[in-house]
Amino acid sequence: DIQMTQSPSSLSASVGDRVTITCQASQDISNSLNWYQQKPGKAPKLLIYDASNLETGVPSRFSGGGSGTDFSFTISSLQPEDIATYYCQHYDNLPPYIFGQGTKLELK
Amino acid sequence: EVQLVESGGGLVKPGGSLRLSCEASGFSFSTYTMNWLRQAPGRGLEWVSSISSRSTFIYYGDSVKGRFTISRDNSKNSLYLQMDSLRAEDTAVYYCAREGGFVHFDYWGLGTLVIVSS
Repeated sequence: DIQMTQSPSSLSASVGDRVTITCQASQDISNSLNWYQQKPGKAPKLLIYDASNLETGVPSRFSGGGSGTDFSFTISSLQPEDIATYYCQHYDNLPPYIFGQGTKLELK
Repeated sequence: EVQLVESGGGLVKPGGSLRLSCEASGFSFSTYTMNWLRQAPGRGLEWVSSISSRSTFIYYGDSVKGRFTISRDNSKNSLYLQMDSLRAEDTAVYYCAREGGFVHFDYWGLGTLVIVSS
């Protein structure tokens, strides 16, 4: 199975900062990668699908990029409401669907 | 408005069984593949099982294969997860999620907590 390595595992940043999280696949996965946000005690929320497509209703300060084995997720200007844990998720023609380990984003 | 509401969680002894349900509303349930995912306390997300719109294609993660059974009743807009031979490591919040595209989970329920403990 393909392995997804997400980094960093935790990150501390200030309001207004540009924040970037990376996800690396153990082999070429084209653009088969999604990003989710999960706030404490809540269900995950889809933010980015197919590596770079912004889900409807998601603020434009969120973006995703990359293809092949290296992917990134960026918040252009961190807002207090963005404090959450972020997960990448790989998909293929068939399951299993693999999640990264998560990145916990905290306010500095 | 799309809504997914899980139920059926609770405390069960190791080796026991539990049946989770997910009631869907606000969309054409019978046309979507549905999934169960879980999250152990303080841990990350794990995909558990998937069932296609007409139950033609069913898949399980290795950790639950042979113990869990996914099913759906499109007439009742409901998704189910029968969990047998439960283990302590199955303790988690279980979410049902709609597969909105190939393959991303665009709507999630609030989750139901399953605790496997003696």
